[in-house]
Amino acid sequence: AQSVTQLDSQVPVFEEAPVELRCNYSSSVSVYLFWYVQYPNQGLQLLLKYLSGSTLVKGINGFEAEFNKSQTSFHLRKPSVHISDTAEYFCAVRRRGTGNQFYFGTGTSLTVIP
Amino acid sequence: GAVVSQHPSWVICKSGTSVKIECRSLDFQATTMFWYRQFPKQSLMLMATSNEGSKATYEQGVEKDKFLINHASLTLSTLTVTSAHPEDSSFYICSASTSGPTDTQYFGPGTRLTVL
Repeated sequence: AQSVTQLDSQVPVFEEAPVELRCNYSSSVSVYLFWYVQYPNQGLQLLLKYLSGSTLVKGINGFEAEFNKSQTSFHLRKPSVHISDTAEYFCAVRRRGTGNQFYFGTGTSLTVIP
Repeated sequence: GAVVSQHPSWVICKSGTSVKIECRSLDFQATTMFWYRQFPKQSLMLMATSNEGSKATYEQGVEKDKFLINHASLTLSTLTVTSAHPEDSSFYICSASTSGPTDTQYFGPGTRLTVL
């Protein structure tokens, strides 16, 4: 079975400061890893994904994430946040091989303070 | 990029009525579509997986007779909430993907259902 843990439910950060949103996963098989952002009353938008290759993945809006297999982590980072980054962020995993189901973490609410 | 639409975006209905939500992939053919439910301030919970032309696979604890899913074509899936009750009020989100092991799921904008 797969599970995804987002350790921080809420992260307040001042504008232009760096931020890291943590994600750890557990799985008995290899997985693909994703980060999605959700703005109020909207669906999910893909920020970035790790499928294979380089462990450092760059996404949209200046976000990046690093896959760490030994620590089973996929933390999301941005060196300088903007007010517009205020949103809910979800980490998700999908098993390699059969099936295409996503399993989501509980989400991290990022609030950027002016 | 791939676009997935949902209709309606929000709906209010009386208790006991049925509500149909449509999910469409606008610019690609989706062999698989997924339906999620999201309560306020919570994560998405997968309800069911549907493949075009076959019966949906429901997650444990999801009533298949209450949440009817039809995936009649490669661009359309529908979720019907039958005999809705206030506890069914939620944000319903669909996603769609093409075939392939590395394909991304593309999410719709969601449908807010309020049952009075």
